[in-house]
Amino acid sequence: QKEVEQNSGPLSVPEGAIASLNCTYSDRGSQSFFWYRQYSGKSPELIMFIYSNGDKEDGRFTAQLNKASQYVSLLIRDSQPSDSATYLCAVNGASSSASKIIFGSGTRLSIRP
Amino acid sequence: NAGVTQTPKFQVLKTGQSMTLQCAQDMNHNSMYWYRQDPGMGLRLIYYSASEGTTDKGEVPNGYNVSRLNKREFSLRLESAAPSQTSVYFCASSQNSNQPQHFGDGTRLSIL
Repeated sequence: QKEVEQNSGPLSVPEGAIASLNCTYSDRGSQSFFWYRQYSGKSPELIMFIYSNGDKEDGRFTAQLNKASQYVSLLIRDSQPSDSATYLCAVNGASSSASKIIFGSGTRLSIRP
Repeated sequence: NAGVTQTPKFQVLKTGQSMTLQCAQDMNHNSMYWYRQDPGMGLRLIYYSASEGTTDKGEVPNGYNVSRLNKREFSLRLESAAPSQTSVYFCASSQNSNQPQHFGDGTRLSIL
């Protein structure tokens, strides 16, 4: 089992709709969770991070964390063509491996006009 | 503010050659990381350094070595390059593993 798993997509969403991206992780002791956006040929850029169970909102983006079920999700409201990119979920390790940050393989999101 | 700087940006090597990828950050971060990204895939952790003077293996360390030269610099060395190491390499830094990472622009490495 991979440590961080994402559906590779592509996920196609109409413009103006809500895009929902999901990520599951295997290390129950993980404490920090990150979402990055990566455009083709570019480096990843941070979208959001979340530490506590529940929802965290920032503009059109909402991160949701459920530690009991070991999943974290990202909702993008009012999707725009500029949101078309690959979204990477990242999770830090727990206990003895707390210093490492592991990424999922990413979900390709396509917003269709 | 430069952030994370990687050199070189592009490199072509022949099988068996060696080279060092350089990374430097100017944000006074404690932790630094090296990842590789293959087409259509996410980032795979090669090595990381939680703080100056420490390094640890990540998911795919075989064929690589690292040096945390000081707090600012973290280099990645390929001793004997193989075609399987053709990839885009990203360096990142963060205050610690609970904080977001900042990424360099990447090094595109081809091994023939």
